[in-house]
Amino acid sequence: DAGVTQSPTHLIKTRGQQVTLRCSPISGHKSVSWYQQVLGQGPQFIFQYYEKEERGRGNFPDRFSARQFPNYSSELNVNALLLGDSALYLCASCVAGSVLYNEQFFGPGTRLTVL
Amino acid sequence: GESVGLHLPTLSVQEGDNSIINCAYSNSASDYFIWYKQESGKGPQFIIDIRSNMDKRQGQRVTVLLNKTVKHLSLQIAATQPGDSAVYFCAESPSTDGLTFGKGTHLIIQP
Repeated sequence: DAGVTQSPTHLIKTRGQQVTLRCSPISGHKSVSWYQQVLGQGPQFIFQYYEKEERGRGNFPDRFSARQFPNYSSELNVNALLLGDSALYLCASCVAGSVLYNEQFFGPGTRLTVL
Repeated sequence: GESVGLHLPTLSVQEGDNSIINCAYSNSASDYFIWYKQESGKGPQFIIDIRSNMDKRQGQRVTVLLNKTVKHLSLQIAATQPGDSAVYFCAESPSTDGLTFGKGTHLIIQP
């Protein structure tokens, strides 16, 4: 079975632009979470979606939004990009709605560079 | 806010030796802890987890120790191999939605 897939692999944008990142979870997984990983740091939680509904949100501005589709894939949107948004964006899927006691499987990430 | 942190940014060990990676957490409400391994260009990979009602858990060549009294977590890797070179993160689950990660320890294996 394929793992979590993300697209695109790399992306370069300029300040003020908007970006959409995509994630396909492992087959059978209904929960998708998004994390931002700035170079040299650990991932930071952005959103969790389960059964197409937002289950949790981290401490990120409203410029960040996400959604989950009926096939459980997900998109992360970031508006009005800032230089500080440059990071690796990770998607993780989980079979259950809670990450408590349930393993999350991470994709390879999308490397976003904002110039 | 509360966060999970690591004591050492880099750990260098000889191939074949045991490695011990430490982590301090500050959220006493956390009930679940996980260690992840992240190789260059890849996403984090689950290594082992432990619930707060345990103080030790063993896997294949890895052991996680949890000391709730001092809020300390450690990962022990036995007989370290070149393939163990990576950045290791501890993470805690203070709620049911997202994980809180530490900054990471870069494990370097010397031949």
